[in-house]
Amino acid sequence: DIVMTQSPLSLAVTPGEPASISCRSSQRLLHRNGYNYLDWYLQKPGQSPQLLIYLTSTRASGVPDRFSGSGSGTDFTLKISRVEAEDVGVYYCMQALDTPYTFGQGTKLEIK
Amino acid sequence: QLQLRESGPGLVKPSETLSLTCTVSGDSISSYYWSWIRQPPGRGLEWIGYIFHTGSTTYNPSLKSRLTISVDTSKSQFSLRLRSVTAADTAVYYCARHHSGWYEESFPYWGQGTLVTVSS
Repeated sequence: DIVMTQSPLSLAVTPGEPASISCRSSQRLLHRNGYNYLDWYLQKPGQSPQLLIYLTSTRASGVPDRFSGSGSGTDFTLKISRVEAEDVGVYYCMQALDTPYTFGQGTKLEIK
Repeated sequence: QLQLRESGPGLVKPSETLSLTCTVSGDSISSYYWSWIRQPPGRGLEWIGYIFHTGSTTYNPSLKSRLTISVDTSKSQFSLRLRSVTAADTAVYYCARHHSGWYEESFPYWGQGTLVTVSS
């Protein structure tokens, strides 16, 4: 299985400030079509996970443009340009290159 | 608007079979892949397996020997059966629809989840 490792596991951010979450995979996530098969999800408190980013950098429908994804190979990053109170929750990266799909441990974002 | 709803017993005894159904409304169950994903209390997400509307399946190898996922297109439902459960199978179980188009690996649609506790 491809192991996904996130860092940090928690972070506290002042509203309006940026935030960054790192995700590293144990194998390259580059598909032969040139895309890196890495997704990001946010699980808000008491809710189901919601898709934020797919294929490393494509925002899902309705996701604000303050969220951006980047990276390639084995190193990926989710950035929030200006954190808002509604962004609290646990962020997960997930590799979709090979089954079984695997998730990172999660990064808990709190507001200072 | 697509809606997914999980249903099934909230309590299952050890060594018995966990059975859940996901009912799809607001869109056709055909032409998509459908997954089950679980989350033990206070922990992270684990992908269980997926099924195509034709009945073709792919399972997580860690669960494959105990797992069956099936689909009933006439009822717009797909189901999960996990045999010989233990306390380690206690989790919130989510059903999800895969992305459409050429990239079908993401999960843009999720059910609300249902908690299944394995206990005598």
